Amino acid sequence: GIQVEQSPPDLILQEGANSTLRCNFSDSVNNLQWFHQNPWGQLINLFYIPSGTKQNGRLSATTVATERYSLLYISSSQTTDSGVYFCAVSGYALNFGKGTSLLVTP
Amino acid sequence: KAGVTQTPRYLIKTRGQQVTLSCSPISGHRSVSWYQQTPGQGLQFLFEYFSETQRNKGNFPGRFSGRQFSNSRSEMNVSTLELGDSALYLCASSPQTRRGYEQYFGPGTRLTVT
Repeated sequence: GIQVEQSPPDLILQEGANSTLRCNFSDSVNNLQWFHQNPWGQLINLFYIPSGTKQNGRLSATTVATERYSLLYISSSQTTDSGVYFCAVSGYALNFGKGTSLLVTP
Repeated sequence: KAGVTQTPRYLIKTRGQQVTLSCSPISGHRSVSWYQQTPGQGLQFLFEYFSETQRNKGNFPGRFSGRQFSNSRSEMNVSTLELGDSALYLCASSPQTRRGYEQYFGPGTRLTVT
């Protein structure tokens, strides 16, 4: 199956800082999604971005499909951004990375 | 539109029992996929149903099964529960089964096997 690697595995930021999360994948994909898993376990859709760049408020994402990576940018981080961020690519099913655990401190 | 719903949200079962989990997709979505999340293995694909047919299956034993009804609602069943089946079970829906469609997840069912 498609291998998905996320980095860094853990990240601690102070409120207001910016961060970049990376997702590398091993094969060409039709679908790439970024999720934020909240403390109750639900996966919240952030971006559907098989290629190109998208922005949504303080978050933006870029996927360079030809080089098999995607980046998630978080600007002016807030404590509510804490949680685990997953990148997932398909495949006949979504293949998830192990996630980046983000803690934003006041 | 209402999101993906899953019931029950929490469940405690004893080893050897069986369990049935339910998932209602977003209205109009015909594909339902199931995933298992554990601390050790992360998020793993169980199976996908589309138009009442299983389209794809992950690498799980036959104790894990599912079905989909004509209204696209899906159930998954785990028989002869083992301690290692304790996990968060997530259901996702998408409009079609072909690759490239965005998937939307429900809140999950947290299963504890004692």
